[in-house]
Amino acid sequence: GAVVSQHPSWVICKSGTSVKIECRSLDFQATTMFWYRQFPKQSLMLMATSNEGSKATYEQGVEKDKFLINHASLTLSTLTVTSAHPEDSSFYICSARPWTGGNEQFFGPGTRLTVL
Amino acid sequence: AQSVTQLGSHVSVSEGALVLLRCNYSSSVPPYLFWYVQYPNQGLQLLLKYTSAATLVKGINGFEAEFKKSETSFHLTKPSAHMSDAAEYFCAVSAGGSSASKIIFGSGTRLSIRP
Repeated sequence: GAVVSQHPSWVICKSGTSVKIECRSLDFQATTMFWYRQFPKQSLMLMATSNEGSKATYEQGVEKDKFLINHASLTLSTLTVTSAHPEDSSFYICSARPWTGGNEQFFGPGTRLTVL
Repeated sequence: AQSVTQLGSHVSVSEGALVLLRCNYSSSVPPYLFWYVQYPNQGLQLLLKYTSAATLVKGINGFEAEFKKSETSFHLTKPSAHMSDAAEYFCAVSAGGSSASKIIFGSGTRLSIRP
């Protein structure tokens, strides 16, 4: 149980285009989902926290107009990187916290974004 | 505010030797503490977590960690390293059981296993 999937697992796009990444909790409902980015050989940096049915809360320094987050249902959150540029190339990881409470997060396998 | 410091960005041990990965935390409230493992190009897998119950926490794959409040530490150990343990390990802290609490990650420690 407690499986989180991400789609796509990798994507290559041209500079200036937008890319959408999906995060799904497959066997549980998640009121809260988190989006992280990870640069090579570095730790995970929290980008934003999304709660189902409400606006996401962005961490300081993260552009909300560039990284659009939608948490439309209890099992799906999406991250859209708008007008992507090479510096947006990174490993994006989502996590989901079950609505049953507690503090554990279950992580997706990550999405490798490369912007040419 | 919460933070974690992982001492040593890279640890190398021989197969069969003791694994010790160090983590110190800072928290203004009783913390929840976690150890995660990440294999290349994959997400994170929870090894174990401390949530204010027993101070010695046993996790998967033979790992365990001891919460020491006096030392603000939560070091990860495994008695005998296996080649498959080679990965990146992250210590993390959260401010208790609130569903709104964020998890803050340390900088990570890469564990290498020598044959």
